[in-house]
Amino acid sequence: GAGVSQSPRYKVAKRGQDVALRCDPISGHVSLFWYQQALGQGPEFLTYFQNEAQLDKSGLPSDRFFAERPEGSVSTLKIQRTQQEDSAVYLCASSFAGATNEKLFFGSGTQLSVL
Amino acid sequence: AQTVTQSQPEMSVQEAETVTLSCTYDTSESDYYLFWYKQPPSRQMILVIRQEAYKQQNATENRFSVNFQKAAKSFSLKISDSQLGDAAMYFCAYRIPNSNSGYALNFGKGTSLLVTP
Repeated sequence: GAGVSQSPRYKVAKRGQDVALRCDPISGHVSLFWYQQALGQGPEFLTYFQNEAQLDKSGLPSDRFFAERPEGSVSTLKIQRTQQEDSAVYLCASSFAGATNEKLFFGSGTQLSVL
Repeated sequence: AQTVTQSQPEMSVQEAETVTLSCTYDTSESDYYLFWYKQPPSRQMILVIRQEAYKQQNATENRFSVNFQKAAKSFSLKISDSQLGDAAMYFCAYRIPNSNSGYALNFGKGTSLLVTP
């Protein structure tokens, strides 16, 4: 596609429900990132994939958070037993090769509200 | 801990005028990369400009330029000839390739820029 696509754009969940957030990166992009952006804050790193390999998951806040990219393209961020503090915008980004000065292309995010 | 500080929560500028957004950061590393990203209401982060720390020359992209002061750990963004479309949240960020999380961008809290006609 022309850009990074995320779905759904909005998600409302009851506390304790499981949610799955989808990211379609730009075709051919090797690197994929997930960020969490709380209201009024800057994005915070969650995890990084290079192709299908999850090279860094140091930002995942708890074992309720799980991300996968099984075929090296689409990625899913899953949150189990959602809590109110999980309410945030979840941003996905991709880049061609993953070089540290490389431009990241971001999606428009999924806004998760946990009631 | 490594941090990025944007001390101006909000800034306002008149159309066609110049505005400077400030950013300071804290790292003991000598090799890193600095970025300014723009986030409009659509939430999609857009790269405005980037700077490699080893380069002394300040980066410039059309109306956007930076003032990079490595010793002071300062990385301000100057927007010249401001346009209504520049109104957005602006985030300063850095990336340290040799750190434990070398792939991660570390963002500040952002500055909301308002452009008035």
